[in-house]
Amino acid sequence: DAGVIQSPRHEVTEMGQEVTLRCKPISGHNSLFWYRQTMMRGLELLIYFNNNVPIDDSGMPEDRFSAKMPNASFSTLKIQPSEPRDSAVYFCASNSLAGLDTQYFGPGTRLTVL
Amino acid sequence: AQRVTQPEKLLSVFKGAPVELKCNYSYSGSPELFWYVQYSRQRLQLLLRHISRESIKGFTADLNKGETSFHLKKPFAQEEDSAMYYCALSVATDKLIFGTGTRLQVFP
Repeated sequence: DAGVIQSPRHEVTEMGQEVTLRCKPISGHNSLFWYRQTMMRGLELLIYFNNNVPIDDSGMPEDRFSAKMPNASFSTLKIQPSEPRDSAVYFCASNSLAGLDTQYFGPGTRLTVL
Repeated sequence: AQRVTQPEKLLSVFKGAPVELKCNYSYSGSPELFWYVQYSRQRLQLLLRHISRESIKGFTADLNKGETSFHLKKPFAQEEDSAMYYCALSVATDKLIFGTGTRLQVFP
């Protein structure tokens, strides 16, 4: 099992451009999480899904951010338009509802907005 | 308010010295706490959880409800312990709140 898969691993874009980050959870996992990691704020939960349904998006910073999970094996996090302050590492994680909160993290996408 | 506080951004020790990474939490319910670790060039992964009362790689953490703390300890640090450590609090079936993290540097 390759674990949680994220793409791209690195993304450099210019301010104002649309950015789409992708995640494939571990097969059989029911929950999927998007986090943002920065030096100042550490690891922040942006949104999470249970059985493809968004449960809590209170961490999404503003309307420029949106996330979808069209099926159990794929999710996207979109930023439109992107801003330099969005530069961070974005992690996707998944777990099973019976996983007792052990979350399995992807390798992350390092986003740089110029 | 639900919150996890890790007061130290960086902790530097020499090999063989004791290590204590501090974690305090604020939560009105019954807390479930975890430590996650991210080694260089590796994924963030679970290190240990308080409910298991386990020792992993020589690390232990005891939940102190009176002090609302869950400090991570190791009596003798090793160079391979150098990593980023995150304390996390479970506030719902799946939802974790993470602290800002502490980078541990162990010098030879």
